[in-house]
Amino acid sequence: EPEVTQTPSHQVTQMGQEVILRCVPISNHLYFYWYRQILGQKVEFLVSFYNNEISEKSEIFDDQFSVERPDGSNFTLKIRSTKLEDSAMYFCASTGAPYEQYFGPGTRLTVT
Amino acid sequence: DQQVKQNSPSLSVQEGRISILNCDYTNSMFDYFLWYKKYPAEGPTFLISISSIKDKNEDGRFTVFLNKSAKHLSLHIVPSQPGDSAVYFCAASLMEYGNKLVFGAGTILRVKS
Repeated sequence: EPEVTQTPSHQVTQMGQEVILRCVPISNHLYFYWYRQILGQKVEFLVSFYNNEISEKSEIFDDQFSVERPDGSNFTLKIRSTKLEDSAMYFCASTGAPYEQYFGPGTRLTVT
Repeated sequence: DQQVKQNSPSLSVQEGRISILNCDYTNSMFDYFLWYKKYPAEGPTFLISISSIKDKNEDGRFTVFLNKSAKHLSLHIVPSQPGDSAVYFCAASLMEYGNKLVFGAGTILRVKS
């Protein structure tokens, strides 16, 4: 069964460094998302992406964040200058039809 | 942001019995609701969904009930199995492609054998 994959599973970085989290959505899906879950908190929406454009973004998704679909398979989330509070699990999701979103296993980002 | 609430942080049920997980929402614009199951160190796994034109949707052991007037939904698992032990998240959305999911805080279900 097709699934969303994410790499790396765990990323440790120093404050102020740039990180890129990678996702391969399900191949025939058209809508892509990033969510995050800070330890002990809810899963929060960051951004949605369709047709090579951001469809919607949350207040969390400020100028330090960017997303890109550099080729036909990958979908990336870049954090330009990481802060301690960016430490979280980051989940990629995709949807085709009808409306259910399918999530990847997540990347645990630890900022030290 | 309290648009989707799961007021029970945890639930413990005996194997073979029914598990009932509850969820309330405040935004009457939501018209699509989903339940996800999550194991530690894994991503949420889609379980079952329901649109606001229905009041019940069933898939095997899982049934979701929607009460629009009360802005309440519930997930019933019958019979509960030890492998069902996980965190269950309720999520709400607008029934359009590309819309974000708004999640509840989750309920930890423990099924005792």
